[in-house]
Amino acid sequence: NAGVTQTPKFQVLKTGQSMTLQCAQDMNHEYMSWYRQDPGMGLRLIHYSVGAGITDQGEVPNGYNVSRSTTEDFPLRLLSAAPSQTSVYFCASSLAGGHQETQYFGPGTRLLVL
Amino acid sequence: GENVEQHPSTLSVQEGDSAVIKCTYSDSASNYFPWYKQELGKRPQLIIDIRSNVGEKKDQRIAVTLNKTAKHFSLHITETQPEDSAVYFCAASRGSARQLTFGSGTQLTVLP
Repeated sequence: NAGVTQTPKFQVLKTGQSMTLQCAQDMNHEYMSWYRQDPGMGLRLIHYSVGAGITDQGEVPNGYNVSRSTTEDFPLRLLSAAPSQTSVYFCASSLAGGHQETQYFGPGTRLLVL
Repeated sequence: GENVEQHPSTLSVQEGDSAVIKCTYSDSASNYFPWYKQELGKRPQLIIDIRSNVGEKKDQRIAVTLNKTAKHFSLHITETQPEDSAVYFCAASRGSARQLTFGSGTQLTVLP
């Protein structure tokens, strides 16, 4: 199993550009989430999904869109990038319910918005 | 929503000594408390977690304690080693890991 994969590893954007951060997992996990990590801060939840076709907002959803058409993939879209979105983005996945709640994180995407 | 505060922000210990990191949470409904270790440039990795029906959990040199009444939980690392140097994050969740709220992190440095 590859686990949770993210592409690209690093991206530079200009203000106003759009892009999609890709996330995929091959563990058949129902739950998937996107977090951002800024210097000196913990991870903050952007959006999450409890299954294909179902998404919801987290703590900092503004400026980001998500969709979940398959169990495996959970892309994060920036429609009009802003310098405040410069951050490291982590995707995570976990099984649903019970005590199997361990979140597995992807390697991250470092985004710089100029 | 949930708010998690973590202290200290930096911690230096001598190799072989113990390290303690403390977190408090605000939502009394939170019932799942994981701890993550993040090395520079790497992804967070779960090192230990505890549920609210348990007061303490131990895994070799790492232990976590939980005080539900006071709404705080702590990470204890004994016999620290240089490879323990990293940033440690606590988090809290209301029963499902899909909505983790993280603390701001503790930079632990183990001095040889």
